[in-house]
Amino acid sequence: EAGVAQSPRYKIIEKRQSVAFWCNPISGHATLYWYQQILGQGPKLLIQFQNNGVVDDSQLPKDRFSAERLKGVDSTLKIQPAKLEDSAVYLCASSLRETGQPPLHFGNGTRLTVT
Amino acid sequence: AQSVAQPEDQVNVAEGNPLTVKCTYSVSGNPYLFWYVQYPNRGLQFLLKYITGDNLVKGSYGFEAEFNKSQTSFHLKKPSALVSDSALYFCAVSAIGQGNLIFGKGTKLSVKP
Repeated sequence: EAGVAQSPRYKIIEKRQSVAFWCNPISGHATLYWYQQILGQGPKLLIQFQNNGVVDDSQLPKDRFSAERLKGVDSTLKIQPAKLEDSAVYLCASSLRETGQPPLHFGNGTRLTVT
Repeated sequence: AQSVAQPEDQVNVAEGNPLTVKCTYSVSGNPYLFWYVQYPNRGLQFLLKYITGDNLVKGSYGFEAEFNKSQTSFHLKKPSALVSDSALYFCAVSAIGQGNLIFGKGTKLSVKP
C-alpha cells in the first residue's frame, strides 16, 4: 500500500511570510495527525483529525497556525505569519481506526527553515 | 500528565554486540508503549508496540522490548547490532483510548564496525 505522502519536502521562507504543507494519508485511514519536530526533540502533536472533524488541537498555536481536512482525506497545515521558532520538521501521520489508535504510519515530513 | 524519558542522548555499540536503548514513562492508568526509528531525512518508522499481554514484545528488524510495570520502563533491545541500525530512536506512550502519542526526545544509536 502507498504510504503517507507529504509535500513539499523542504521549504525555506523569511519570517512573517506564510507557508502551507500538504498531506495525503493512507487510503481509508480515518484519523490524521500533524506533528511538529524541532531539532533535538521528539515530535509534538499539533492537531488530530477524525475524518474531517478536529479531535484535538489543544497544542496548535491558533494565532498563526491553521489546518483543515476537507472531505476527510487530504489535509493542509498553514502558518501565517511564520516565526523563527517555527523552524522544524512537520510530520503527517495516519491511522486506520477512528479512535484510540495511535499513528503507526508517518510521512517523510516537510523540513521548514524560517530565516 | 503523560511523559517519556530517554536518559541517553547517544548510545555507542560495536557491531555484533547487544544493544539497549532505555525508556521510562509516566502515565495514568495502563499505557500503550511504542518504539519508532528515524533515519536521516525520513519520517518515523514503527518498530514495535506493547498494548497488553506478554511483557517481551518482538518487532521489526530483530528488535525487541521489555515492558516492566514496576519500573515503568520499556527498554529497546537487540541481541546483535548491525551498522545499519545506526539511527535515531524514539520511545512514545499513549494512554489507553487516546490517539495522541507523547514522545521522548530521542536517542541516537551509533553502531561501529
